[in-house]
Amino acid sequence: EPEVTQTPSHQVTQMGQEVILRCVPISNHLYFYWYRQILGQKVEFLVSFYNNEISEKSEIFDDQFSVERPDGSNFTLKIRSTKLEDSAMYFCASLLQDSNQPQHFGDGTRLSIL
Amino acid sequence: GNSVTQMEGPVTLSEEAFLTINCTYTATGYPSLFWYVQYPGEGLQLLLKATKADDKGSNKGFEATYRKETTSFHLEKGSVQVSDSAVYFCALSDQGAPGGTSYGKLTFGQGTILTVHP
Repeated sequence: EPEVTQTPSHQVTQMGQEVILRCVPISNHLYFYWYRQILGQKVEFLVSFYNNEISEKSEIFDDQFSVERPDGSNFTLKIRSTKLEDSAMYFCASLLQDSNQPQHFGDGTRLSIL
Repeated sequence: GNSVTQMEGPVTLSEEAFLTINCTYTATGYPSLFWYVQYPGEGLQLLLKATKADDKGSNKGFEATYRKETTSFHLEKGSVQVSDSAVYFCALSDQGAPGGTSYGKLTFGQGTILTVHP
């Protein structure tokens, strides 16, 4: 069964540095999402992406965040200048077309900001 | 806006006990409802889903029924196993127009930690 893959599985970065989290969604999917889960808390929506542009973003997704689909396969989340509170698990997900169908999630990237 | 509320955890049970994890939601329109499971150190896996009122989702012995009148989607299992120990998330997805804002976006509950002892 096709999978969403995320790299790296764990990223450790100094505060103020830029990070790029990478995702390869399922190949024929059209909708792409990033979610965040701070340790011990619930999964929160960050941003959705369709037709090469952002469809919706949450209030968490401020100017420090950006997303890109630079080619036909990758979907990246960039944090420009990381803060301690950005430490979390970041999940990428993709969806084919029908919102009645479930999103497929990657295994996540654990981001640790020092 | 949409919201999902799950029962407070953690929940600790003995093997073969009956499990209920309550989930209620607030949404405009007619959302699809999901239960996701997160095993220790792993990502989110879909457990089951229901897309319209009175639908019952089921998988691996778990069941949940979409109750529109009570806006609930409680998760149940008749006999839990140690391997069911995980965090369980209830979630909803707006059935908006394809390509529109919020299409497919998931709103999660806070998660319920389940620990099953032998």
